[in-house]
Amino acid sequence: AQRVTQPEKLLSVFKGAPVELKCNYSYSGSPELFWYVQYSRQRLQLLLRHISRESIKGFTADLNKGETSFHLKKPFAQEEDSAMYYCALSEGGGSNYKLTFGKGTLLTVNP
Amino acid sequence: GAVVSQHPSWVICKSGTSVKIECRSLDFQATTMFWYRQFPKQSLMLMATSNEGSKATYEQGVEKDKFLINHASLTLSTLTVTSAHPEDSSFYICSARSVRGYNQPQHFGDGTRLSIL
Repeated sequence: AQRVTQPEKLLSVFKGAPVELKCNYSYSGSPELFWYVQYSRQRLQLLLRHISRESIKGFTADLNKGETSFHLKKPFAQEEDSAMYYCALSEGGGSNYKLTFGKGTLLTVNP
Repeated sequence: GAVVSQHPSWVICKSGTSVKIECRSLDFQATTMFWYRQFPKQSLMLMATSNEGSKATYEQGVEKDKFLINHASLTLSTLTVTSAHPEDSSFYICSARSVRGYNQPQHFGDGTRLSIL
């Protein structure tokens, strides 16, 4: 069965510092990986998906199949980046397209 | 675009009553909707996948007679928690995928906080 691991429940950095939120997965097939973000009192929003290979709000994430990782990175953190971040995996394709979520990492960017 | 609305956002009711939660895709049509449950400080756990016009597919361990799902149209799915008990208190979140395009991502509602007294 697929599994998504986010080893850090909490991550605190200072404004302007680099940030990396770790995500590892286990899945035997070819998964699709996502990062979702939930700002305070807001709904879950899609931040990135690996097939898009784009940078959103300065964040990037590269799928490393050898290390089964999809870490989220930003070179210079901003206070408005403070939020809960969830890594998620989909089996890809198909009409159902289920997501398996990690437990989430709460990022706090201090001034 | 891609807005998903959930109603109600918060409900408190007595043990033994049934509670219906609605999930609507406001500006797109959704072939598939998903229902999740989230306990405090924990991740989202998929309960069931709802396909328009057919029976929902439940995840292992989720009682289908307890959590009734109806997906009668391309813009509406409902989750009914039947004979609710305090242990059913949780945060329920729905998501929807657009029928258009390939590999469309899931868009999430705001969630419904259910408290059973």
